[in-house]
Amino acid sequence: DIVMTQAPLSVSVTPGESASISCRSSKSLLHSNGITYVYWYLQKPGKSPQLLIYRMSNLASGVPDRFSGSGSETDFTLKISRVEAEDVGIYYCGQLLENPYTFGAGTKLELK
Amino acid sequence: QVQLKESGPGLVQPSETLSLTCTVSGFSLTSYSVSWVRQPSGKGPEWMGRMWYDGDTAYNSALKSRLSISRDTSKNQVFLKMNSLQTDDTGTYYCTRDVGWELGDYWGQGVMVTVSS
Repeated sequence: DIVMTQAPLSVSVTPGESASISCRSSKSLLHSNGITYVYWYLQKPGKSPQLLIYRMSNLASGVPDRFSGSGSETDFTLKISRVEAEDVGIYYCGQLLENPYTFGAGTKLELK
Repeated sequence: QVQLKESGPGLVQPSETLSLTCTVSGFSLTSYSVSWVRQPSGKGPEWMGRMWYDGDTAYNSALKSRLSISRDTSKNQVFLKMNSLQTDDTGTYYCTRDVGWELGDYWGQGVMVTVSS
């Protein structure tokens, strides 16, 4: 199975500042079709996860453009510009390249 | 609007079978796929399996021997059955709407399942 490793475990950010979360995969997530199958989800406190970024850098519907995704074949970054109170929660990266789809352990974002 | 709702027993005895239902509205099961994803408390999600829009299924190999996913398109429902439950199967179980290969553009509210005697 592809292992997804996230860092840091938690991050504390001042509102209005930016935050970056890293994710590393144990195998290249670049498909021969040119698409990189890494995804980012946010689970707000007490809620279900929600899709933020699909195929490494595409914003899901309704997601503010303060969020952006980037990376290479095995190293990925979620950046949040101008963090707001509503961004608090646990961020998960996931890979949909191979069955079984797998997720990281999560990065908890808190406000200072 | 798109909605998914999981239902099923909150408590299951060890070695018993878990049966869950995902009832969807706002979209057709013949146009979109549905996955089951579970999450132990305080841990990351685990993809369990998928009912594809064309009726095909895919399973996480770690669960395949215990897991079955089926559907009733006339009732807009997708079913999960997993046997031989153990305490580490405790967690919140979600169903998700999947667009093509993508997972989870919509998620249900989840149902908490506890495996305990």
